Amino acid sequence: AQSVTQLGSHVSVSEGALVLLRCNYSSSVPPYLFWYVQYPNQGLQLLLKYTTGATLVKGINGFEAEFKKSETSFHLTKPSAHMSDAAEYFCAVSFSYKLIFGSGTRLLVRP
Amino acid sequence: EAQVTQNPRYLITVTGKKLTVTCSQNMNHEYMSWYRQDPGLGLRQIYYSMNVEVTDKGDVPEGYKVSRKEKRNFPLILESPSPNQTSLYFCASSFVAGDEQYFGPGTRLTVT
Repeated sequence: AQSVTQLGSHVSVSEGALVLLRCNYSSSVPPYLFWYVQYPNQGLQLLLKYTTGATLVKGINGFEAEFKKSETSFHLTKPSAHMSDAAEYFCAVSFSYKLIFGSGTRLLVRP
Repeated sequence: EAQVTQNPRYLITVTGKKLTVTCSQNMNHEYMSWYRQDPGLGLRQIYYSMNVEVTDKGDVPEGYKVSRKEKRNFPLILESPSPNQTSLYFCASSFVAGDEQYFGPGTRLTVT
């Protein structure tokens, strides 16, 4: 069965530090890949997506992710964390007609 | 404004009392889906719809029903709610299956 694994249910960084949120998926074919962000008491908002083409994808709020087929990974990064980045982040993979989500990573940003 | 709306946003009910959560999108999307979000489990798909009158089960369909009689609406029906259906529910839509999905604000359901 297809699956998405996000390493670390909680990640804590200092303001200004690098943000790295990990996502690995299982698939025998290149999927469509997404990162969503959920702020408290809100729905999910798309950060970025990979469909085809360039493997380094830039999204909103300074985030980017790189699709590495050989590692079946799609890690999310941001060079410098801001307090407003504190939220829960979900990696998702599109398989056929379904969107499979990881269990989420809550990002905490320390002043 | 392009959006997905859900109603109600909050609902407390008792075991066995039938309820419906409505979902509507104004983007002319073909694909719509329902998810439930539980701590530590991420979002799990309940049902999805490829187009009007075309629906199919997701990963956790037990205890839920859906219908798609109009393109814009995709209600979620709990015929006999149970406490294990206490959760946060999201409706989402996209132009086609596999494309980025737009999410509603969520419905927090508590079944006592």
